[in-house]
Amino acid sequence: KAGVTQTPRYLIKTRGQQVTLSCSPISGHRSVSWYQQTPGQGLQFLFEYFSETQRNKGNFPGRFSGRQFSNSRSEMNVSTLELGDSALYLCASSNRDTNEKLFFGSGTQLSVL
Amino acid sequence: DAKTTQPNSMESNEEEPVHLPCNHSTISGTDYIHWYRQLPSQGPEYVIHGLTSNVNNRMASLAIAEDRKSSTLILHRATLRDAAVYYCILRDSEVYGGSQGNLIFGKGTKLSVKP
Repeated sequence: KAGVTQTPRYLIKTRGQQVTLSCSPISGHRSVSWYQQTPGQGLQFLFEYFSETQRNKGNFPGRFSGRQFSNSRSEMNVSTLELGDSALYLCASSNRDTNEKLFFGSGTQLSVL
Repeated sequence: DAKTTQPNSMESNEEEPVHLPCNHSTISGTDYIHWYRQLPSQGPEYVIHGLTSNVNNRMASLAIAEDRKSSTLILHRATLRDAAVYYCILRDSEVYGGSQGNLIFGKGTKLSVKP
C-alpha cells in the first residue's frame, strides 16, 4: 500500500501570496487531517475532513482553509501569506474507527519570504 | 493544551533498553494513551497505544500504571534508527463521533542514541 503523499515537498512564497498544498491519503482512508509544525509552537492541529466534510477545526485564522474531494484527496490553502506561516505542513490519514492510528506524510516545507 | 508531561530529552546507548516516561495525572476513563515518534525530516509515526493493560507490538511495549496516571514506552533494544522525538498523547474515545484526526501534541521527548 502506498503511504500518504504530499506535494510539493518544498515551496517558497512571498508575503501576500497564496498557496495550495495537496495530500493524497492511503487508499481506503476517508479521514484526512492537517497539522502545522514550527520550532516554536510544535505540532498544531489545523483541521480534519471526513467524506468531504470538515469535522473539526483548530485555532487558526480564516486564511487557512481546506477541502476534501470525493476520492478523499485533500487540499489546504493559505491566503495572504505571512512570514509566520513558514512551517512544515503535515497531512495524516486514517480509517474511521475511533482510535485508529494516523498515518502521516513527510510534509510540505513552506518558506515565506 | 496537551494533557501529558514528558522529559524534554533522554539519552541511551545502542542495544540497551530505553524507558520513556509520560505523566497524565488528569486522564479520564475514556482516554486512550497513544505514542507517536517523529524521526528527523519525517512526519510522525504511530508506535503503540493502550487503555488499561500493558501492550506489546513489534516496535515497543507500553506499560500503564494501575491508576493510569502515568505510562512508560519501552524500547527493548535501542538502535540508532530509534533516535527521534517521542510524543505521548491522550485520545478520548468518546469525543469524536467520526472526527478523530485531532491529536494534541506536546513537546515530546527527544531521544538520542549513542553508538
